[in-house]
Amino acid sequence: DAGVIQSPRHEVTEMGQEVTLRCKPISGHNSLFWYRQTMMRGLELLIYFNNNVPIDDSGMPEDRFSAKMPNASFSTLKIQPSEPRDSAVYFCASSRGGQADTQYFGPGTRLTVL
Amino acid sequence: SQQGEEDPQALSIQEGENATMNCSYKTSINNLQWYRQNSGRGLVHLILIRSNEREKHSGRLRVTLDTSKKSSSLLITASRAADTASYFCATALNTDKLIFGTGTRLQVFP
Repeated sequence: DAGVIQSPRHEVTEMGQEVTLRCKPISGHNSLFWYRQTMMRGLELLIYFNNNVPIDDSGMPEDRFSAKMPNASFSTLKIQPSEPRDSAVYFCASSRGGQADTQYFGPGTRLTVL
Repeated sequence: SQQGEEDPQALSIQEGENATMNCSYKTSINNLQWYRQNSGRGLVHLILIRSNEREKHSGRLRVTLDTSKKSSSLLITASRAADTASYFCATALNTDKLIFGTGTRLQVFP
């Protein structure tokens, strides 16, 4: 299996622009997670999908952030408009079961907002 | 302390030495997991230990869990330079909530 696939790997954009991050989970996994990692705040769970349905989005910072999972093999995390404080590494992860099951992480997208 | 807090925050050792990292948590757990993160990479799952288990091994890794003290330890024996990474514990409060700690940065010098 190819593992969790994320694109792009690096994104540099200017404040105010829309950013879309993409994720393909491992085939057969029922849960998908979006995390954000910064030096200051560590690893934060943004949103968790189970069977394509958002279960917990309490970590989504504000209305500028939105996530979708239109099918079992694709998810997007969108930031509109982006701000410099959104600069971070964004990880997508998937698991066979729920959140407490072993999670498999993608390589991450390093986002820089100028 | 917050749920899933690792100690020490940073650890430097020589190749061949053992490395021990600890994780403390506050509430009852379903399971506890350890992950490794190499610089610039995603997290990689190492071991999952359930609340009714006390010890687990995987190669050079040994994890213990003491639910009475709400703590876990990860021991890496005969460390190698390639073990240099950050190590995170993650506590599963129930089947649908996993909280990651802040991590221990391990540096192994050749």
